[in-house]
Amino acid sequence: GAVVSQHPSRVICKSGTSVKIECRSLDFQATTMFWYRQFPKKSLMLMATSNEGSKATYEQGVEKDKFLINHASLTLSTLTVTSAHPEDSSFYICSATGGNQPQHFGDGTRLSIL
Amino acid sequence: GENVEQHPSTLSVQEGDSAVIKCTYSDSASNYFPWYKQELGKRPQLIIDIRSNVGEKKDQRIAVTLNKTAKHFSLHITETQPEDSAVYFCAASISAGGGNKLTFGTGTQLKVEL
Repeated sequence: GAVVSQHPSRVICKSGTSVKIECRSLDFQATTMFWYRQFPKKSLMLMATSNEGSKATYEQGVEKDKFLINHASLTLSTLTVTSAHPEDSSFYICSATGGNQPQHFGDGTRLSIL
Repeated sequence: GENVEQHPSTLSVQEGDSAVIKCTYSDSASNYFPWYKQELGKRPQLIIDIRSNVGEKKDQRIAVTLNKTAKHFSLHITETQPEDSAVYFCAASISAGGGNKLTFGTGTQLKVEL
């Protein structure tokens, strides 16, 4: 089956730091990648949709200057949480799709801001 | 936009019993309905999906039914086992691929007790 790799799996850093999370599709071309945020015991909240070679589309209420998304190739998308603060602590998950492939998820990144 | 409701939020069953999780959706344009299983701290995994041109789909102990007229779909797990314990999410989308975003339900915590 399709494999999506997300890195790092866990980040602990100080307030004010910027953190970059990578999402890679390993065995298919991901024309679209999605970034989600998940709070404990809650559903996945879509943050943005990223199409290869174009600007990401952000969901209402998500600050695009805070959460920078780049999708420069068919196998890689990155999410950068800029100047992270404790309220940005969460579980971030990416998913990838291409052609008629359903969304396949990465392992997620647990971000903890001290 | 699409709205997906999921019930129940928690479900406890005895090992060997069946479990049923129900979802409703609002957008009649939705044609693709996947179900994901998520274990604690891990990625959501696609376990079964159904497209609107069929009413039922089965894969071993898992089955999904779809009623497009009533806009609801259900997940059925038979002969439940302890390893079925997890959070299950339903979702709806216009199609499986094509960069169409998924709208998730709120999740069901399934606990299979010995």
